[in-house]
Amino acid sequence: EVQLVESGGGLVQPGRSMKLSCAASGFTFNNYDMAWVCQAPKKGLEWVATISYDGSSTYYRDSVKGRFTISRDNAKSTLYLQMDSLRSEDTATYYCARHLINYGGYRTDYFDYWGQGVMVTVSS
Amino acid sequence: DIQMTQSPASLSASLEEIVTITCQASQNIGNWLAWYQQKPGKSPQLLIYGTTSLADGVPSRFSGSRSGTQYSLKISRLQVEDIGIYYCQQASSTPRTFGGGTKLELK
Repeated sequence: EVQLVESGGGLVQPGRSMKLSCAASGFTFNNYDMAWVCQAPKKGLEWVATISYDGSSTYYRDSVKGRFTISRDNAKSTLYLQMDSLRSEDTATYYCARHLINYGGYRTDYFDYWGQGVMVTVSS
Repeated sequence: DIQMTQSPASLSASLEEIVTITCQASQNIGNWLAWYQQKPGKSPQLLIYGTTSLADGVPSRFSGSRSGTQYSLKISRLQVEDIGIYYCQQASSTPRTFGGGTKLELK
């Protein structure tokens, strides 16, 4: 069974840092691109960042470029999101998500498994 | 960024009714579109990808279609477990963007 379990959220002051982790199990982690997707309270979904299966490529939405860093440790089957210079608008539930590999074996930018989410609140 | 506009924002329907939700892309995204369902207090679940392909384990009453830059999700016979918020997502260009959601309730 595929499982994605996030940890590391909580309350943090503006301008400070926080690191999220996502422990993966039930699949071959190093075969899959992984992503973080966030959801502000009572709002819709917003893609944050993606990392390729081998960690060689990373992609970010503009609002987090230079502040957030996505990384992975394939030996530990764990995904990370280092969030620096946090702002109130970063307040959201952050989901770890797996990119779908389709029946043709191609990596896609759809998300077929999601963690339960971790809440990050940026407030003084 | 590509804007994805969903309609309606909310919808009330009866059991066994046919339900259709639409998503309008601000520019051509081809067939690079997915639909997700999010039940209250839960994580999103992939329903359909590539406009028409059903994700693993998703009931066949769900289907997707496209007309130009307008995409539709159809539920052929609404069930209680279908209640939730539905989101579309484009995978054509970065940043990947989602629609604002359609809240589906039982009448």
